[in-house]
Amino acid sequence: DAKTTQPNSMESNEEEPVHLPCNHSTISGTDYIHWYRQLPSQGPEYVIHGLTSNVNNRMASLAIAEDRKSSTLILHRATLRDAAVYYCILRAVYNTDKLIFGTGTRLQVFP
Amino acid sequence: DVKVTQSSRYLVKRTGEKVFLECVQDMDHENMFWYRQDPGLGLRLIYFSYDVKMKEKGDIPEGYSVSREKKERFSLILESASTNQTSMYLCASIHKQGTGGGYTFGSGTRLTVV
Repeated sequence: DAKTTQPNSMESNEEEPVHLPCNHSTISGTDYIHWYRQLPSQGPEYVIHGLTSNVNNRMASLAIAEDRKSSTLILHRATLRDAAVYYCILRAVYNTDKLIFGTGTRLQVFP
Repeated sequence: DVKVTQSSRYLVKRTGEKVFLECVQDMDHENMFWYRQDPGLGLRLIYFSYDVKMKEKGDIPEGYSVSREKKERFSLILESASTNQTSMYLCASIHKQGTGGGYTFGSGTRLTVV
């Protein structure tokens, strides 16, 4: 199963943009790139996903490199409620379709 | 609002007890999953199911079994609870393979085995 690599932690100030990087150099052509976040004492929450093109939704944007070996989750204006652990995961939809979670990036947001 | 509901938020059980963790989803999803989450180890897949009556082992199935008698319900069973099964248990669901969409997770059940 393809793996992802993320920094252990990042910091941001409120109202500033945050760029969370993820490397997935062994991604296969049918793997979707998923991002989830987990607030303390809660289950993971789906944020966004993409295959090849950049994606936007109300929560965030996802920028995918042309070779698909890396991606970046963009929070346009961080809020205190965005403090969480963010997981970048590859979903192999034509395999066993299980998500393999790494240790994620813990994002701290300062007022 | 779509939901995955786990029956208990917190559970305390004794060693050797049979424990049932229930998960219900209201989204008509085909695929359902049980994970456990431990500090430093992240989320690990225990079992998953693609359809009623179907089940597949995940990465750490030992000591667990599952049941999927109805599409909306996926139960995790600890046949004889042990202290090393103290953990946060998370249920998730998603539409069938190939759709690319996001998983929905429950809020988790924190199980303590004493």
